Amino acid sequence: AQTVTQSQPEMSVQEAETVTLSCTYDTSENNYYLFWYKQPPSRQMILVIRQEAYKQQNATENRFSVNFQKAAKSFSLKISDSQLGDTAMYFCAFKPRANYGGATNKLIFGTGTLLAVQP
Amino acid sequence: SAVISQKPSRDICQRGTSLTIQCQVDSQVTMMFWYRQQPGQSLTLIATANQGSEATYESGFVIDKFPISRPNLTFSTLTVSNMSPEDSSIYLCSVAHPYTEQYFGPGTRLTVT
Repeated sequence: AQTVTQSQPEMSVQEAETVTLSCTYDTSENNYYLFWYKQPPSRQMILVIRQEAYKQQNATENRFSVNFQKAAKSFSLKISDSQLGDTAMYFCAFKPRANYGGATNKLIFGTGTLLAVQP
Repeated sequence: SAVISQKPSRDICQRGTSLTIQCQVDSQVTMMFWYRQQPGQSLTLIATANQGSEATYESGFVIDKFPISRPNLTFSTLTVSNMSPEDSSIYLCSVAHPYTEQYFGPGTRLTVT
């Protein structure tokens, strides 16, 4: 069974500093997707960044970047120049590559890391 | 990305009653999903809503407790039946096409007293 593990229940960072959130996963599949979602107190789940397993290059979206280590099954999120608006719960998620005749396309979530950005 | 709305945004219900949550998408989508997020917890998939056929439920969730409808490619409902305080959660609708990421609605916060 596929699992996603986030070992940091809570983290804190000072505004303008950099923080890294950890995520590891377990799968026997070779093709899959990984995501980081953000859930602020308003509870709207927002997609932060996505990585396709067959791509060696790490994904980057503005201040957000990932360190994808496929062999180690590790997918960490780095937030640079942290802002107060980054305060949220961050979820790492895994999805097998969908097949029309096969997988349900469902996401498997980690337990989340609560990030607090301090002024 | 898709714009997803849910109704109601929150509700307080008495035990033993049922609540139907609506999910509306601004464009046709292949897949719709319903998740539950218990207080302080991660998201758990309840079921995949299939257009024109019965929903596909995950282990631990049954149709009698969580009946789902999906009459077309832009709309779905989830009913939480015979509610108990343990059903107090946030219920989220999400949508996706194959090979793409999922987008989430704003959620429905349910409190059962």
